[in-house]
Amino acid sequence: AQSVTQPDIHITVSEGASLELRCNYSYGATPYLFWYVQSPGQGLQLLLKYFSGDTLVQGIKGFEAEFKRSQSSFNLRKPSVHWSDAAEYFCAVGDNFNKFYFGSGTKLNVKP
Amino acid sequence: DVKVTQSSRYLVKRTGEKVFLECVQDMDHENMFWYRQDPGLGLRLIYFSYDVKMKEKGDIPEGYSVSREKKERFSLILESASTNQTSMYLCASSLTSAALGEQFFGPGTRLTVL
Repeated sequence: AQSVTQPDIHITVSEGASLELRCNYSYGATPYLFWYVQSPGQGLQLLLKYFSGDTLVQGIKGFEAEFKRSQSSFNLRKPSVHWSDAAEYFCAVGDNFNKFYFGSGTKLNVKP
Repeated sequence: DVKVTQSSRYLVKRTGEKVFLECVQDMDHENMFWYRQDPGLGLRLIYFSYDVKMKEKGDIPEGYSVSREKKERFSLILESASTNQTSMYLCASSLTSAALGEQFFGPGTRLTVL
């Protein structure tokens, strides 16, 4: 069965430090991969997506993610975190039909 | 820009009431989804619809039903609200498959059942 694992429930980083949020998926075919961000009280906003091609994808707000098929991973990175990046981040995988599967989320706290 | 709107941001209901949550999208998407979001559990799919009058159960359909009479509108119904249905409810829409693009989300409805 398809599943998405985000092993880190909470992460705290200092403003200006680099960030990596982990995501592992389980899916039999070629995955369609997504990262979403949810600011407090808001719906989910797409940060970036991977369908095929270059395994390093760039997204909005300076985020990037790398697809590693051998590790079944799609980790999200940012070289320098800003206080406004404090939010909850969700990794998701979409299948060839209609469904999307979400991880349980990682809450990012940014220290001044 | 795709826009997904939900009828209420906050809702307070009493146990046993029938509750309607409405969702409207303006991009002619075939698929629409209802999730509930609880701390530590992420998003769990309640129901989705891939066409007008078509629906499929998600992972946690018990206690819920849905209605899709028009392509742009997808309603979630709590037949008899219970306190364990207190949650954030998120509506989303997408094209026919993930291969064609991502889901677009509404702002959510925070439902409290007393």
